[in-house]
Amino acid sequence: DSGVTQTPKHLITATGQRVTLRCSPRSGDLSVYWYQQSLDQGLQFLIQYYNGEERAKGNILERFSAQQFPDLHSELNLSSLELGDSALYFCASSVSATGSGNTIYFGEGSWLTVV
Amino acid sequence: AQKITQTQPGMFVQEKEAVTLDCTYDTSDPSYGLFWYKQPSSGEMIFLIYQGSYDQQNATEGRYSLNFQKARKSANLVISASQLGDSAMYFCAMRVINTGTASKLTFGTGTRLQVTL
Repeated sequence: DSGVTQTPKHLITATGQRVTLRCSPRSGDLSVYWYQQSLDQGLQFLIQYYNGEERAKGNILERFSAQQFPDLHSELNLSSLELGDSALYFCASSVSATGSGNTIYFGEGSWLTVV
Repeated sequence: AQKITQTQPGMFVQEKEAVTLDCTYDTSDPSYGLFWYKQPSSGEMIFLIYQGSYDQQNATEGRYSLNFQKARKSANLVISASQLGDSAMYFCAMRVINTGTASKLTFGTGTRLQVTL
């Protein structure tokens, strides 16, 4: 158990819909990352937050948004869903935002299927 | 920009044997960290081992060791005494260590390891 909690574990939804994925970081970790893993794109970095503020943005679509709340949990919102958004979405956390030797632990992922 | 290359899409190893999974990386930053993760068929991403670019000794964690050759920019994972439960996808990843900016993990494409009887 990595200590990073993601919900839901599985989600099936229709095209055009909106879903919210939730992540609770490890105790003491201030930085949260979101990654998307699909068969054709591999593991893609989406976005990073540190202590409530956005710190880095990767290949995140405009239809997607995220935030980190004062209690440090994070949500990834995916809207106007398309079939190609079907993927495994990971949340990860670390103590710092800048690397400094801290490792990054991943949650179990949220499997999203868009039908 | 950082890049991770894993040239072995698939590997087979017999139970109780050792296996080496290859990873090369490319970065112009002098300070970075290298990670290996295991992803079983159930999907979760499990942290295995970490090596910092300035670490003098190769990292070890139980049956996992990281063969770090800085001049060759390689960070191979060695799994000793393979077990059936080691069958999984293995990802090498790198993170540049900066003091002022955020730093994400860059992943390789992975190596699928199959342990046989």
